[in-house]
Amino acid sequence: AQTVTQSQPEMSVQEAETVTLSCTYDTSESNYYLFWYKQPPSRQMILVIRQEAYKQQNATENRFSVNFQKAAKSFSLKISDSQLGDTAMYFCAFILISSGSARQLTFGSGTQLTVLP
Amino acid sequence: NAGVMQNPRHLVRRRGQEARLRCSPMKGHSHVYWYRQLPEEGLKFMVYLQKENIIDESGMPKERFSAEFPKEGPSILRIQQVVRGDSAAYFCASSSEGWRGQPQHFGDGTRLSIL
Repeated sequence: AQTVTQSQPEMSVQEAETVTLSCTYDTSESNYYLFWYKQPPSRQMILVIRQEAYKQQNATENRFSVNFQKAAKSFSLKISDSQLGDTAMYFCAFILISSGSARQLTFGSGTQLTVLP
Repeated sequence: NAGVMQNPRHLVRRRGQEARLRCSPMKGHSHVYWYRQLPEEGLKFMVYLQKENIIDESGMPKERFSAEFPKEGPSILRIQQVVRGDSAAYFCASSSEGWRGQPQHFGDGTRLSIL
């Protein structure tokens, strides 16, 4: 079974600064995707960024980037130039992609990020 | 709006009643997933469906819960004889493919409250 661990229940950052959210996962498989989802106070689930495990290059999406360390099974999210609108709960998620395997997302418990003015 | 549509946004039921939650996937998506989010927790997988088929229901309680995704119309998550512990946010997600890592796009969720 796959597990996803987010060890930081809460974090805060000053507006315009950079913050890194941690995520580790456990799997014996080699083909999978990792995602970061954002859940603002409106409670929507918004996809922030995704990373294919077979790609060594770290994914980036504007101010959001990841540090993917496959051997260490670590997948951290870096938010640069933090904005007030980044205040949200952030969930790390994992999915296997091999045919016949479980296809559901496995989520971590989340990190509540607060951006301070 | 071409996104995943869930309704109702909020649903209030008394203990013992039935709750029906609806989900229309994004246009072109034939894979639907239901997740439950209890207060202060992450999302937990319940069931995965394709049109007219349940592919994986390993996360769904064996009793009182059922799901369907008919050939025509939305996917339905049904909870019979609701209890207080069913109070949660229920999210539906859809994707274009089930196993190639295509991102799952989420609806806004249905908040179920049991009185």
